[in-house]
Amino acid sequence: QVQLVQSGAEVKRPGASVKVSCKASGYTFTSYDMNWVRQAPGQGLEWMGWMNPNSGQTDLAQRFQGRVTMTRNTSITTAYLEVSNLRSGDTAVYYCARGNWDNWFDPWGQGTLVTVSS
Amino acid sequence: IVLTQSPATLSLSPGERATLSCRASLSVSSYLAWYQQKPGQAPRLLIYDASNRAPGSPARFSGSGSGTDFTLTISSLEPEDFAVYYCQQRHNGRFTFGPGTKVDIK
Repeated sequence: QVQLVQSGAEVKRPGASVKVSCKASGYTFTSYDMNWVRQAPGQGLEWMGWMNPNSGQTDLAQRFQGRVTMTRNTSITTAYLEVSNLRSGDTAVYYCARGNWDNWFDPWGQGTLVTVSS
Repeated sequence: IVLTQSPATLSLSPGERATLSCRASLSVSSYLAWYQQKPGQAPRLLIYDASNRAPGSPARFSGSGSGTDFTLTISSLEPEDFAVYYCQQRHNGRFTFGPGTKVDIK
């Protein structure tokens, strides 16, 4: 079955960077976009951007441009999200979510908690 | 495009009908989806393209609307339906989510 498995929780200092991985299985990795969504504690969902795993093309929400990078390694069917210059407001659960045949998000990874604290 | 959802919280009993609203600041045609999120879990796609049930979504969930006004209806609440529901729009390849409606037990 289609499955996305993310890397484990991270604790980072302000100003540091974090790289979250999302291992895909059960489908052709390069045929569907990968999205990243974050959710701050007790808050709603915030779309960060998408990546085309075939071409590597990305499109980021404006507020994340310049600080967020989305990459992939097709040989191991894994997508990555890197956030640099972390601040306390970046504390959140980060989800990867595959864009389905109609570009809606299905399925989602289990989420990765990133805590930014001094 | 900004999405607003109402009400913020809906308190109902099992077996009752739930009606959730999502309004877009500009027309999104039918490019709207609904997701369910339970505590400690990732969201799950319920409805896409405003009115199509995702595979595995129970028939008690239905979506309607187009343009700027959309509705998610749960015909008869089951215990497992108490959760937070988010709408999401797609416009020019970009996405936004609404703030969510929490459906809790009365």
